Amino acid sequence: AQSVTQPDIHITVSEGASLELRCNYSYGATPYLFWYVQSPGQGLQLLLKYFSGDTLVQGIKGFEAEFKRSQSSFNLRKPSVHWSDAAEYFCAVWSGSSASKIIFGSGTRLSIRP
Amino acid sequence: DVKVTQSSRYLVKRTGEKVFLECVQDMDHENMFWYRQDPGLGLRLIYFSYDVKMKEKGDIPEGYSVSREKKERFSLILESASTNQTSMYLCASSLGGKGEQYFGPGTRLTVT
Repeated sequence: AQSVTQPDIHITVSEGASLELRCNYSYGATPYLFWYVQSPGQGLQLLLKYFSGDTLVQGIKGFEAEFKRSQSSFNLRKPSVHWSDAAEYFCAVWSGSSASKIIFGSGTRLSIRP
Repeated sequence: DVKVTQSSRYLVKRTGEKVFLECVQDMDHENMFWYRQDPGLGLRLIYFSYDVKMKEKGDIPEGYSVSREKKERFSLILESASTNQTSMYLCASSLGGKGEQYFGPGTRLTVT
């Protein structure tokens, strides 16, 4: 069955530092992968998605993610974080069903140190 | 831009009450979803719908039902609210196939 693992529950980085959030997936074929961000008290917003093609995907707010099939990973990166990036981040994979059912990871909470 | 709206941001209900959470999307999406979100448990799918009057159970349907009479509207119903249904409820919609989901702002429900 498809699954998504985000091994880091909580990460703290300094403002201006680089960021990498880890995501590992389990999927039989070429996966469709997503990263979402959730600001406190808000719904989820799509940051980026990977369906096929170039394995380095650019998203909104300066984020990017790299799909690595050999490692079953889809890590999210940002070269320099801003205080406004403090939020919860969810990695997700399409379940394989026809109704675009998505399986979400448990999330990584990002805190920014001034 | 896709817009998904939820009827309430905050809701307080008493145990045993019947509760309706409404969700409306304005982009003619085929699929709609209800999740609940609890600390440490991530998002869990309650029900989803892939067409008007069609619904499927998600991972945690017990204690909930849904209604989709019109394409743009998907309602979550708590037949008899209980304290363990205190949670953040998120609605989402998607166009179909493998498309991404678009989320509403959430309803924080407290059952006392």
